[in-house]
Amino acid sequence: DTEVTQTPKHLVMGMTNKKSLKCEQHMGHRAMYWYKQKAKKPPELMFVYSYEKLSINESVPSRFSPECPNSSLLNLHLHALQPEDSALYLCASSQDRNGRVSEQYFGPGTRLTVT
Amino acid sequence: GDSVTQMEGPVTLSEEACLTINCTYTATGYPSLFWYVQYPGEGLQLLLKATKADDKGSNKGFEATYRKETTSFHLEKGSVQVSDSAVYFCALSSNTGNQFYFGTGTSLTVIP
Repeated sequence: DTEVTQTPKHLVMGMTNKKSLKCEQHMGHRAMYWYKQKAKKPPELMFVYSYEKLSINESVPSRFSPECPNSSLLNLHLHALQPEDSALYLCASSQDRNGRVSEQYFGPGTRLTVT
Repeated sequence: GDSVTQMEGPVTLSEEACLTINCTYTATGYPSLFWYVQYPGEGLQLLLKATKADDKGSNKGFEATYRKETTSFHLEKGSVQVSDSAVYFCALSSNTGNQFYFGTGTSLTVIP
């Protein structure tokens, strides 16, 4: 099974709302990622968790708050977002082989619209 | 630093035409190389990979060979189908840390 699941598939939220995106994998991967993707662009890395610890934060605004409750789950908490944060948010996971990233497996994404 | 340079698109081909999407990389050491495909409205799917020089990755009729002498990993298919219409991303996994780099993506449209 090489599936990464994400919920919800679509989300519309106002600038004062608080919402969360969820991601789950059961491949035993110990590295999990959040990416933001704008239309016709490559994914931009936001956060990396390795062995449930935050290892990379690519200078993401604090209105995005990641959480890794266990090795299978990854959340992204959203608060006070701006319209420019509207994008496809992708979760991915990979094996972490001696500090080297293997292929990443992506979920289908959450299409976020901020109004 | 490590990076991937990918052929600009968009690319439009007739069904059964040959496809080549160019990808070159800059990296220290020996990275792993990947091609991902993204169909409209979906996430990225791993299409193929190669982990060392001269490896050939292949899947669904697509092929790419890891060429260290030219630092390239070009994607090829001999006969494209309408269902191959998608955006293709070349990617690199650095062997110097927990980093993954994507190219800019190439949009392919195949017309009947």
